[in-house]
Amino acid sequence: QVQLQQSGPGLVRPSETLSLTCSVSGDSISFYYWSWIRQTPEKGLEWIGYIHNNESRFFNPSLKSRVTFSVDTTKNQFSLKLRSVTAADTAVYYCARHGVAAGLRTWFDPWGQGTLVAVSS
Amino acid sequence: VLTQSPGFQSVTPKEKVTITCRASQSVGSSLHWYQQKPGQPPKFLVKFASQPISGVPSRFSGSGSGTDFTLTINGLEAEDVATYYCHQSSILPQTFGGGTKLELK
Repeated sequence: QVQLQQSGPGLVRPSETLSLTCSVSGDSISFYYWSWIRQTPEKGLEWIGYIHNNESRFFNPSLKSRVTFSVDTTKNQFSLKLRSVTAADTAVYYCARHGVAAGLRTWFDPWGQGTLVAVSS
Repeated sequence: VLTQSPGFQSVTPKEKVTITCRASQSVGSSLHWYQQKPGQPPKFLVKFASQPISGVPSRFSGSGSGTDFTLTINGLEAEDVATYYCHQSSILPQTFGGGTKLELK
């Protein structure tokens, strides 16, 4: 059974970089597309983008200029970096696997447990 | 853009609940449904508009294609009180509906 475990700080100062990691157990990270999604009461669920094997990426245009994704196949984990954060980036951040091996346009399952990241000085 | 309705509904056990999701352009059948309870990540319920998922109670079903989709809960149980989201995977960026929150009357 695939499980995703998120790690990273819950507090980031304005203008700094938010960094989160999602560790995958139970399957190889190489077979799937992996996404980051965030959730706020105001905007609901917002898809940040996906990464596949460090070869293919897509970023939501709303965040594209500030987002970096990476995959570490040796550790079976992938990461998100969001630069120049503001209070508007305060959200619960989730990592998630796309539902079918090598499938981009599928559902998300499973999800990480979620990380509440607050942007505050 | 995915528009869900209603945004909020008061419900009673055994009730039949219908949630709709309308897409601003066709997404084919690439529309999926999730259930989310407070403090938890979304849980996957229905894939590709109407395909059931192993382990999900049969009272949950989906229908629709193109721009209009429906999630039906036949015989709501108290444990189904949650917020439900639709998600389209056809068009990048992938998007979610605004959610439908169910609360017990």
